[in-house]
Amino acid sequence: AAGVIQSPRHLIKEKRETATLKCYPIPRHDTVYWYQQGPGQDPQFLISFYEKMQSDKGSIPDRFSAQQFSDYHSELNMSSLELGDSALYFCASSPGTGVPHSPLHFGNGTRLTVT
Amino acid sequence: AQSVTQLDSQVPVFEEAPVELRCNYSSSVSVYLFWYVQYPNQGLQLLLKYLSGSTLVKGINGFEAEFNKSQTSFHLRKPSVHISDTAEYFCAVSEKEYGNKLVFGAGTILRVKS
Repeated sequence: AAGVIQSPRHLIKEKRETATLKCYPIPRHDTVYWYQQGPGQDPQFLISFYEKMQSDKGSIPDRFSAQQFSDYHSELNMSSLELGDSALYFCASSPGTGVPHSPLHFGNGTRLTVT
Repeated sequence: AQSVTQLDSQVPVFEEAPVELRCNYSSSVSVYLFWYVQYPNQGLQLLLKYLSGSTLVKGINGFEAEFNKSQTSFHLRKPSVHISDTAEYFCAVSEKEYGNKLVFGAGTILRVKS
């Protein structure tokens, strides 16, 4: 079965550079979530989208922005990167409507290293 | 706001022994509870979930968890572990009815030894 696809798997950037992470949800999933997992940390919710609109916002820095496109894929844009942004970034998707608390399906993550 | 506490950061156990991974939560409203497993360099995979109904929930790979409202706990158990169960396990809580943001605990690393 198709899963959540994230690209790239690994990304190395320098401080103050920008990065774009992509997420392709499971087909027919209209809700996308972004999580950040620092080294040895639990995943922290960043932001979510439903039907291309932002549905919820967590601890996402102002330097980050995200959007969901008409094909439901999502991109997380990160600017002015800092060393502390080094983390594993997970995307998850779910069928957001009509399915009582459907579980989130996670991708394998993008490992961002800022040097 | 809800929060999740996983009392053990690491749990070493011998193969075929039983294991319990502890999880306590706090929330001012009704919650939905989940356990996810993360294998090295992989995403989070749902083990089981509690939404309502029977407080004993069975999941994949022989795991089960029991929701205890009075103790605000959702401990994960397996009667006999395998080497392949070595992974990090995250307890998570959500307050919204439809698939929405999860608040995770800090995780418990289960190390199964032969």
